[in-house]
Amino acid sequence: KQEVTQIPAALSVPEGENLVLNCSFTDSAIYNLQWFRQDPGKGLTSLLLIQSSQREQTSGRLNASLDKSSGRSTLYIAASQPGDSATYLCAVGANSKLTFGKGITLSVRP
Amino acid sequence: NAGVMQNPRHLVRRRGQEARLRCSPMKGHSHVYWYRQLPEEGLKFMVYLQKENIIDESGMPKERFSAEFPKEGPSILRIQQVVRGDSAAYFCASSPGVADTQYFGPGTRLTVL
Repeated sequence: KQEVTQIPAALSVPEGENLVLNCSFTDSAIYNLQWFRQDPGKGLTSLLLIQSSQREQTSGRLNASLDKSSGRSTLYIAASQPGDSATYLCAVGANSKLTFGKGITLSVRP
Repeated sequence: NAGVMQNPRHLVRRRGQEARLRCSPMKGHSHVYWYRQLPEEGLKFMVYLQKENIIDESGMPKERFSAEFPKEGPSILRIQQVVRGDSAAYFCASSPGVADTQYFGPGTRLTVL
């Protein structure tokens, strides 16, 4: 059974800091990994999708990497801003479903 | 191209009533997924459907829950005889193909009194 872990559960950083969010998963038989952002009381916004054959994806200030063999992914956020404050969810895709971690709640202090 | 649409956004039911949640996928997407987010828990997969077919319902509770995606119209998640433990946010997602990006709707927040 796939398990996805995101540690720590919460993170607070000052504005401008570069930061890395970690995600680990137990079963490497995945076909993709997706990072989402969720604002309080809202839905999920897809940030980046990495196919299993890829090593990383970039979008603006975000960079996500995937190491399937070790069961790890990281989301790098450059020059963090208060507007980046949200919960970041990692989800691995396999067998037609996504398995989610519990998320990391990020707070960027002005 | 409108995103995934869900309605209602908020739904209040009394114990024993029925809840019907609707999901319209993005245009051109024939794959629909339902997830549930319980308070203080992560999102959990419930069911995966393609037009008129349930492909994977391994995350659905065995009783009271059902889902459909008819040839015409939205996908429906139906919960019969709701109980307080059904209170949660229910999210629908759609994708053009099974290994493609899943796009999520805003969710339906169900409260059972």
